[in-house]
Amino acid sequence: KAGVTQTPRYLIKTRGQQVTLSCSPISGHRSVSWYQQTPGQGLQFLFEYFSETQRNKGNFPGRFSGRQFSNSRSEMNVSTLELGDSALYLCASSQQRADQETQYFGPGTRLLVL
Amino acid sequence: AQSVTQPDIHITVSEGASLELRCNYSYGATPYLFWYVQSPGQGLQLLLKYFSGDTLVQGIKGFEAEFKRSQSSFNLRKPSVHWSDAAEYFCAVARPAAGNKLTFGGGTRVLVKP
Repeated sequence: KAGVTQTPRYLIKTRGQQVTLSCSPISGHRSVSWYQQTPGQGLQFLFEYFSETQRNKGNFPGRFSGRQFSNSRSEMNVSTLELGDSALYLCASSQQRADQETQYFGPGTRLLVL
Repeated sequence: AQSVTQPDIHITVSEGASLELRCNYSYGATPYLFWYVQSPGQGLQLLLKYFSGDTLVQGIKGFEAEFKRSQSSFNLRKPSVHWSDAAEYFCAVARPAAGNKLTFGGGTRVLVKP
């Protein structure tokens, strides 16, 4: 099976722009979670989607949003980019939204905001 | 809110020597516990997890971890380190019945000397 794929892998944007990142989960997986990784704040949970519904949300401003499609693919959007949004954005998928499901992480999208 | 502390930011170990990475968590009950590894430019790979039962957990790549409730710790060990173990290691917790949201520690970067 193919692993979790994230596109694009690298992205450069300027302040004030918006960006959309994409995540394709492992085939058959219905849960997708997003995390932000920065040197200063470490790994922080953004949100989780299951069957097109957001089931969990982290402490991020409303500029960060996401969605999940019927094929379980997910996108996250960041509007009005700030320099501090520069980070590695990781997506993880699992089969169900159950506590004991192993989450499989993608390689991430590295976003640089200038 | 739960929190995870990894006291050691960097650890340098000689190839063939043993390795122990520390992880302490703060949570009102026993959470689900995980160790992940991240190689440069890669996503996160699950090494092992603890939900309940035997407090000594075996994982992949020869790693094991021991859950100690009295110390709120979940330390990761490997008897003999290989050069390929050089990476960053993250301890994470999840609240039971809270889905797939993971709270991560700050990470420990492991350097392996030949």
